[in-house]
Amino acid sequence: AAGVIQSPRHLIKEKRETATLKCYPIPRHDTVYWYQQGPGQDPQFLISFYEKMQSDKGSIPDRFSAQQFSDYHSELNMSSLELGDSALYFCASSRSGPSTDTQYFGPGTRLTVL
Amino acid sequence: GDSVTQMEGPVTLSEEAFLTINCTYTATGYPSLFWYVQYPGEGLQLLLKATKADDKGSNKGFEATYRKETTSFHLEKGSVQVSDSAVYFCALNSGGSNYKLTFGKGTLLTVNP
Repeated sequence: AAGVIQSPRHLIKEKRETATLKCYPIPRHDTVYWYQQGPGQDPQFLISFYEKMQSDKGSIPDRFSAQQFSDYHSELNMSSLELGDSALYFCASSRSGPSTDTQYFGPGTRLTVL
Repeated sequence: GDSVTQMEGPVTLSEEAFLTINCTYTATGYPSLFWYVQYPGEGLQLLLKATKADDKGSNKGFEATYRKETTSFHLEKGSVQVSDSAVYFCALNSGGSNYKLTFGKGTLLTVNP
């Protein structure tokens, strides 16, 4: 079965640079969630989108922005990168709009900021 | 707000031992409960879920029962294998003001041959 696709899988950036992470949800899933997992930590919710509109916002820094496109893929844009942004970034998708339904996770993008 | 408290690890067991990882929660509303597993260097995989009281989720020999009266969702497996070595996360989604997943801190399980 098709899964959530994330690209790139690994990304190395310098401080103050910009990064763009991409997420392609499972076909026919219309809701995308972004999570950040620091080393040895549990995933923390950043932001979610439904039908190309932001549906919820968590602890996302102002330096980050995200959007969902007409084909339902989503991009997380991160600017003025800091060392503390080094983490695993997960995208998850679900169907039928924001709900308590299962969220299926992608393999993650490991961002390293030097 | 929502929170999940998981048994702290790490947990080290011998192959074929019985596994229990405790999970309790606090939530607004009536949450759905999940166990996710993260194998070394990989993403989060859904292991099992339950959406209402007394539901039992099960998969790959793992089980967990949604206990509303004790607000618990303990993970159990009768006989663990080396391949079960991973980090296990208990999580909930209560809806409320948003539909984010709230995770516990994770429990590292190591199974030795």
